[in-house]
Amino acid sequence: DAGVTQSPTHLIKTRGQQVTLRCSPKSGHDTVSWYQQALGQGPQFIFQYYEEEERQRGNFPDRFSGHQFPNYSSELNVNALLLGDSALYLCASSLGGIGTEAFFGQGTRLTVV
Amino acid sequence: GEDVEQSLFLSVREGDSSVINCTYTDSSSTYLYWYKQEPGAGLQLLTYIFSNMDMKQDQRLTVLLNKKDKHLSLRIADTQTGDSAIYFCAETLHSSASKIIFGSGTRLSIRP
Repeated sequence: DAGVTQSPTHLIKTRGQQVTLRCSPKSGHDTVSWYQQALGQGPQFIFQYYEEEERQRGNFPDRFSGHQFPNYSSELNVNALLLGDSALYLCASSLGGIGTEAFFGQGTRLTVV
Repeated sequence: GEDVEQSLFLSVREGDSSVINCTYTDSSSTYLYWYKQEPGAGLQLLTYIFSNMDMKQDQRLTVLLNKKDKHLSLRIADTQTGDSAIYFCAETLHSSASKIIFGSGTRLSIRP
C-alpha cells in the first residue's frame, strides 16, 4: 500500500517564478491538506481540498493556490515566488474532509534563490 | 487562540525514559497528536488521543492528557538511539477539524 507520495523531492526556483508541487494521497483517502514547514518551525496549514474544492484555508496569500483532481491527487501552486517561500512543503492525506489521522508525505524541499 | 507550545530541546541517556511536554491554549481541542520527524523526512504520526481521554498507551509510548491544565505529555520508555528526532505536539479543534495546529517541535537527543 503506497503511502502519501509527493513530487518532486527537491526544487530550486528563482524569485518571481512559479512552481507546482504534486501529491498523491494514501490509498483510500479522499482529502488532501498542504502545509509549509520553514526551517526550525512546525508545519503551518496552507489549505485543504476535499471533493475537489478548497474547504479551509490558513493565513497564506492568494499567491498560494491549489487543485484537487477526481482521483483525489492534488497540486499546490505558488506564484511570484519570494525568498521567504523557501521551505519544506508537506502534503497530508486523510478521510472525509477532516484532518484527523492525517498521514504525511516526505515533502518537497523548495529553495528560492 | 490557537497556540501549541513545547520546549525546544531534551537530552536523555539511552535506556532512560523520555518525557516531552506540550501545552495548548484552546479548550475546544478534539484530538491531540504526537508526530515524529527524522532529519530530512516527513512527519510520522506516532499516536493521538481524543480529548475526552486521560491516557493512552501504545507499546513504549504513553500519552497523558490533563485537560484542566491543557497539558499533554509523551513518555517514551527505554529510549533508544533510533528515537532521536524532532517530536511535534499538535491539535485539531472542534471549530476547525480540517487543519492540524502544530507546536514548534522538541528535538530529542540521546546520549550513550
